[in-house]
Amino acid sequence: GAGVSQSPSNKVTEKGKDVELRCDPISGHTALYWYRQSLGQGLEFLIYFQGNSAPDKSGLPSDRFSAERTGGSVSTLTIQRTQQEDSAVYLCASSLIVGSTDTQYFGPGTRLTVL
Amino acid sequence: KNQVEQSPQSLIILEGKNCTLQCNYTVSPFSNLRWYKQDTGRGPVSLTIMTFSENTKSNGRYTATLDADTKQSSLHITASQLSDSASYICVVNYGQNFVFGPGTRLSVLP
Repeated sequence: GAGVSQSPSNKVTEKGKDVELRCDPISGHTALYWYRQSLGQGLEFLIYFQGNSAPDKSGLPSDRFSAERTGGSVSTLTIQRTQQEDSAVYLCASSLIVGSTDTQYFGPGTRLTVL
Repeated sequence: KNQVEQSPQSLIILEGKNCTLQCNYTVSPFSNLRWYKQDTGRGPVSLTIMTFSENTKSNGRYTATLDADTKQSSLHITASQLSDSASYICVVNYGQNFVFGPGTRLSVLP
């Protein structure tokens, strides 16, 4: 079946603009995760959803970042008033459940460039 | 502070050779440790997931070990192939948070 898909694959925006990144998880996966990978740096965990609920939003870098998930499927990560330091690859992953040993399947990522 | 360190930062080996990558962590409380393979420009792919009670887990030519007492893990790759060229990332899960290591960049040469 289809894997995790993300759109757009690349996004170039101007500083101060808002952007919306989309993630389509594997069908039937109740858990969804967002990560960020900045150039030359490791991956950083941002937020996870169990169903439509995000129990802990403390991993989001600032209040300019928000995420939502509707219908237990598609999720969007929104960055308001983008800054140059927001430039990174944003990765989404999904798993069957939120479990300590559940395999996460990653999408290809969205490369965000803020000019 | 919760941290994950990996060594070496990069490694070059010849095709067919074995290699071992290291991961040390200070994350607490510990839920599980994961190894991922990430090809350039792609999302990470899960190799192994180990809980506190597991010492060894294999996935084909990949074998991960975990010593929860010393908070160390290793990933051993046997009979390397050109397609093994990638970044290998160690991740420690605590609760519903994840701490990622910086990765080891492996290059396998013919």
